[in-house]
Amino acid sequence: DAKTTQPPSMDCAEGRAANLPCNHSTISGNEYVYWYRQIHSQGPQYIIHGLKNNETNEMASLIITEDRKSSTLILPHATLRDTAVYYCIVRATDSWGKLQFGAGTQVVVTP
Amino acid sequence: DAGITQSPRHKVTETGTPVTLRCHQTENHRYMYWYRQDPGHGLRLIHYSYGVKDTDKGEVSDGYSVSRSKTEDFLLTLESATSSQTSVYFCAISEREYEQYFGPGTRLTVT
Repeated sequence: DAKTTQPPSMDCAEGRAANLPCNHSTISGNEYVYWYRQIHSQGPQYIIHGLKNNETNEMASLIITEDRKSSTLILPHATLRDTAVYYCIVRATDSWGKLQFGAGTQVVVTP
Repeated sequence: DAGITQSPRHKVTETGTPVTLRCHQTENHRYMYWYRQDPGHGLRLIHYSYGVKDTDKGEVSDGYSVSRSKTEDFLLTLESATSSQTSVYFCAISEREYEQYFGPGTRLTVT
């Protein structure tokens, strides 16, 4: 699976949009981009995934560049409960369950 | 939260003793996984199961064994615990190839 690069940390003001970048320049055509987050002391939580089209659900939006070498997770209105480590993961469709978690981005939402 | 429980939630044991951690799901998902999480290493896959009695190794399987005799239970056994196995252990489940749902974790300390 391709490797991802994320900034180690970022701050966001409560109520503002949080834009979390992820670089995956070696991504292959059959690899999806997944986002998970982990709130302190809890298990990771699935957020969203996509292949090449932009995706949106009740939690977030995922924007994937046309060349698929990078993506951005958008939390539209950050709340204090969104403070967590956010992981961007690239995984092939035939590698069931084998999520490779990197260091992620520590997001701190401030009042 | 998805119907996943882990037991025990906390355990302290001595080096050389056997330890079994249990993951129980009520979602009837086909796939189950065991991860460990350590500072500086993130989450790493230990073993996974793709059906009753069907299991396979992850990236850090040495010193661990698993069993799945029924859909809802996935057991992780440390035959002879070592201090290097002190960690937080997470179980996860999935039905499709996309999202995994994680349990609350078990904090294991080997003294």
